[in-house]
Amino acid sequence: DIQMTQSPSSLSASVGDRVTITCRASQSIGTYLNWYQQKPGKAPKLLIYAASNLQSGVPSHFRGSGSGTDFTLTITSLQPEDFATYSCQQSYITPYTFGQGTKLAIK
Amino acid sequence: QVQLVESGGGLVKPGGSLRLSCAASGFTFNDYFMTWIRQAPGKGLEWVAFISSDSGLTNYADSVKGRFTISRDNDKKSLYLEMNSLRVDDTAVYYCARSEDYGENDYWGQGTLVTVSS
Repeated sequence: DIQMTQSPSSLSASVGDRVTITCRASQSIGTYLNWYQQKPGKAPKLLIYAASNLQSGVPSHFRGSGSGTDFTLTITSLQPEDFATYSCQQSYITPYTFGQGTKLAIK
Repeated sequence: QVQLVESGGGLVKPGGSLRLSCAASGFTFNDYFMTWIRQAPGKGLEWVAFISSDSGLTNYADSVKGRFTISRDNDKKSLYLEMNSLRVDDTAVYYCARSEDYGENDYWGQGTLVTVSS
């Protein structure tokens, strides 16, 4: 199975900050990388698919980049509603494994 | 609007069985692959299984292979997960999700909790 490793596991930031979360795959996955946001008690929400494509309705201050094994989710100018857990997922080869998640908390 | 509603979760003893259902509405169900994803309490997301639009292709995580069966009824716009030989570590919230062309899951249900405990 492809292992997905996110870093950091947690971080704290302030409203207005720029935040970067990284996701590394154990083998090349092209651009088959998706990012999800999850708030406590809620289902995950798709933010980015195919590494850099913004899902419809997602604010433009979310950006995804990368290819091969290294990927980045950047949140520019954090908003109060952005504090949540973020998970990456590879959809290159089944099982479509997820990273362990990155919890973004308010500083 | 797209809606996915899971049901069938509950408390079951180790070794027991349970069948989850997911009712879909607001889109052409038989055009899409569908996926089950689970999340153990306080843990990350785990992909469980998917099924193609015509049920011709299924795929499972190793952790559930041979114990779980994914199926669908396109006439009823419903997705199912038959879970047998349940173990304590199958305890999780189970989500059904619609799968798009790139394998991403663009719509999710609210989840149903399965608790395996004696």
